[in-house]
Amino acid sequence: KAGVTQTPRYLIKTRGQQVTLSCSPISGHRSVSWYQQTPGQGLQFLFEYFSETQRNKGNFPGRFSGRQFSNSRSEMNVSTLELGDSALYLCASSFVVRTGGSYEQYFGPGTRLTVT
Amino acid sequence: SQELEQSPQSLIVQEGKNLTINCTSSKTLYGLYWYKQKYGEGLIFLMMLQKGGEEKSHEKITAKLDEKKQQSSLHITASQPSHAGIYLCGAATRPGNEKLTFGTGTRLTIIP
Repeated sequence: KAGVTQTPRYLIKTRGQQVTLSCSPISGHRSVSWYQQTPGQGLQFLFEYFSETQRNKGNFPGRFSGRQFSNSRSEMNVSTLELGDSALYLCASSFVVRTGGSYEQYFGPGTRLTVT
Repeated sequence: SQELEQSPQSLIVQEGKNLTINCTSSKTLYGLYWYKQKYGEGLIFLMMLQKGGEEKSHEKITAKLDEKKQQSSLHITASQPSHAGIYLCGAATRPGNEKLTFGTGTRLTIIP
């Protein structure tokens, strides 16, 4: 079974631009979470989608948004890019059977975003 | 908010030696996860622990969650160069929550 895939793997953008990152979860997984990883802040939760609905959200400004499609693929968008948005963006998927349980989360290879 | 502290921050171990990494929380842990990361790459899932006192092993790596569910340890037996990397613990902030809070990581170096 294929793992979590993320595209593109590397991206260079200029301040003020916007960017869209894509994540395809493991087949059958309906929950997709996004994380930002920086040397200073470590790994921080952005948001989680399940069945096309955002269920959880981290403490990031509204410039960070996401969505999930009916096939569970997810995209995240960052508008008006700032230098501080340079980071490794990781998505993770899990096979959620019922709410209230904890499930294994599998991460993709990440998208390295550089803002200049 | 829940914070996870990992110790040590870095570890240099001679090949063949055993080592332990700890992950401590100020609050009850729900779904404690251990991952390994090579620099700049994605996280590789190692193990997930849920129940107090639970212990899981995979090859030479063993993880335990203490009875009070506020501390976990990762133990590597007979370390090999392939074990080198950054080890991260993550925890769910409440039952069933897919949002994980992560520790700052432990950088493991294996010397021949």
